[in-house]
Amino acid sequence: EAQVTQNPRYLITVTGKKLTVTCSQNMNHEYMSWYRQDPGLGLRQIYYSMNVEVTDKGDVPEGYKVSRKEKRNFPLILESPSPNQTSLYFCASSLLNRGGEQYFGPGTRLTVT
Amino acid sequence: SQQGEEDPQALSIQEGENATMNCSYKTSINNLQWYRQNSGRGLVHLILIRSNEREKHSGRLRVTLDTSKKSSSLLITASRAADTASYFCATDNDYKLSFGAGTTVTVRA
Repeated sequence: EAQVTQNPRYLITVTGKKLTVTCSQNMNHEYMSWYRQDPGLGLRQIYYSMNVEVTDKGDVPEGYKVSRKEKRNFPLILESPSPNQTSLYFCASSLLNRGGEQYFGPGTRLTVT
Repeated sequence: SQQGEEDPQALSIQEGENATMNCSYKTSINNLQWYRQNSGRGLVHLILIRSNEREKHSGRLRVTLDTSKKSSSLLITASRAADTASYFCATDNDYKLSFGAGTTVTVRA
């Protein structure tokens, strides 16, 4: 089944404790992206990647890192999480055909205390 | 930056009625997409309209795009309870997808 998977789905952590949220897709998509969703703000793009070893900042990259060592995986790293990074995070992927539809993962609900 | 803005923020309709929501954006785009989200779950792509298109249909969905007014509308005809969800427009500009805050649609049985 074609899908985007994220792990973990739920995470409660403390300020400053490094964490990684994994994202994997099985559709051979070149393009992958991370978003955060906060009430009243919709989704905001954190980082995106157009292929292996190619990443770029979205609208809200501060406090986040990403890497794209393999085509299928695009982990999101929070080196020193803070409470303002409490949010619902989504990973998405698509074919690189200039704005093709994005396939979203189920989301990761992160709480930083 | 948040490019698209949906209007209204919330909409409540009776089953069988039509639902219309609008999206306005600020800068030029390559295409505009509409997505649906059911209660905190992942977004599902509904329809994509390119900047050189004016109208597109998909099943009970009709999307229009007016690039001169920088606006789009999504019409859902003959709504069903299963259409209860939040709907987001997203503008694509060189691989950066910008979403609005969404319209929450409630379909009453």
